[in-house]
Amino acid sequence: EAGVTQFPSHSVIEKGQTVTLRCDPISGHDNLYWYRRVMGKEIKFLLHFVKESKQDESGMPNNRFLAERTGGTYSTLKVQPAELEDSGVYFCASSQIKDVTEATEQFFGPGTRLTVL
Amino acid sequence: GQSLEQPSEVTAVEGAIVQINCTYQTSGFYGLSWYQQHDGGAPTFLSYNGLDGLEETGRFSSFLSRSDSYGYLLLQELQMKDSASYFCAGVSGGYQKVTFGTGTKLQVIP
Repeated sequence: EAGVTQFPSHSVIEKGQTVTLRCDPISGHDNLYWYRRVMGKEIKFLLHFVKESKQDESGMPNNRFLAERTGGTYSTLKVQPAELEDSGVYFCASSQIKDVTEATEQFFGPGTRLTVL
Repeated sequence: GQSLEQPSEVTAVEGAIVQINCTYQTSGFYGLSWYQQHDGGAPTFLSYNGLDGLEETGRFSSFLSRSDSYGYLLLQELQMKDSASYFCAGVSGGYQKVTFGTGTKLQVIP
């Protein structure tokens, strides 16, 4: 079974440009999460989809970030316009919805390394 | 809100045992997960404690005490390949929101 995939693996853009990151979760996983890791620091939560609905977007930095999950399948994260501080590695993860006493394993994609110059 | 604190760095000798602690302050807390991340790689799931006590998976064990808002990851028989960052992650809410801790960089030395 294919794992979580992300595209592109790397993106280098100039300040003010737009970038769209894509995540394809594991088939059948209703939970989809976006995270960002900046400069080797903590993995910071951005938002959480359950199917096509945004369950929690409290981690989105500002309105320059827009996430969508059309049809509850793949998701995109658009940054427009990009700023220098947006540089980092953006991870997507997916999981099945389970009872909270069970192991809630999130499966991570390889990440997209975004560099804003 | 939620916050999970870990030591930033730990160094241990190959073959030894190391414990990585995690203290948390969360609302709606259900359980604690642990993830491993090698430089440049994706985090990978290690374990989950939905109940208090010890969970063992091979060389790795994880412990949770809800009364103390505390957990730890225990790595035994350390190998050089265990050098990585380790994150505790609090699971909360009906839809399993996951909040990651500050991360601990483990260096295993010969």
